Amino acid sequence: GQNIDQPTEMTATEGAIVQINCTYQTSGFNGLFWYQQHAGEAPTFLSYNVLDGLEEKGRFSSFLSRSKGYSYLLLKELQMKDSASYLCASPGDYKLSFGAGTTVTVRA
Amino acid sequence: SAVISQKPSRDICQRGTSLTIQCQVDSQVTMMFWYRQQPGQSLTLIATANQGSEATYESGFVIDKFPISRPNLTFSTLTVSNMSPEDSSIYLCSASPTGPYNEQFFGPGTRLTVL
Repeated sequence: GQNIDQPTEMTATEGAIVQINCTYQTSGFNGLFWYQQHAGEAPTFLSYNVLDGLEEKGRFSSFLSRSKGYSYLLLKELQMKDSASYLCASPGDYKLSFGAGTTVTVRA
Repeated sequence: SAVISQKPSRDICQRGTSLTIQCQVDSQVTMMFWYRQQPGQSLTLIATANQGSEATYESGFVIDKFPISRPNLTFSTLTVSNMSPEDSSIYLCSASPTGPYNEQFFGPGTRLTVL
């Protein structure tokens, strides 16, 4: 099975950087996803890491360490529109298991 | 990619009734899933909708309560049967075009309120 942990809430100011950590314990590793979900909307895909290291996509980057069972999502140059829930998810047993999500609040 | 639509977008239902939610994908996909999301909570997988065979249910979810159909590679339905107020939630359909180890696309969700 999958056991995924991430912080419940984080708050940061506009223009700052926030790092959302995710630790996982899985019966078989098939990569790690990050999704963004704005209140009242469906989740949207941000990143998928299979190999160790950092992958950058504009203001968002995702890091993976398979040996440590650890990933993080890095949000740079925060904007008000980045206020959302960020979900860490791991595929396994032909399905996707989600963490509880981290609610990020960006303040002016 | 895949664009997913769901009907209805929201509904208010009476206790003891049933509601069927439809999920339509704009292209053929390998896998379709149904999730439930309580307010402020993460997504809980209800079942994997299998084309041409019975759905695969997660622990705590049973076919009698949540019957699922998937007649083809682009369409699925979820029925919430004999509803109670505890079934009030957002129900989300998702699809993975190439399999579970690739990106899933989500529908906009169906907000269900049971009185």
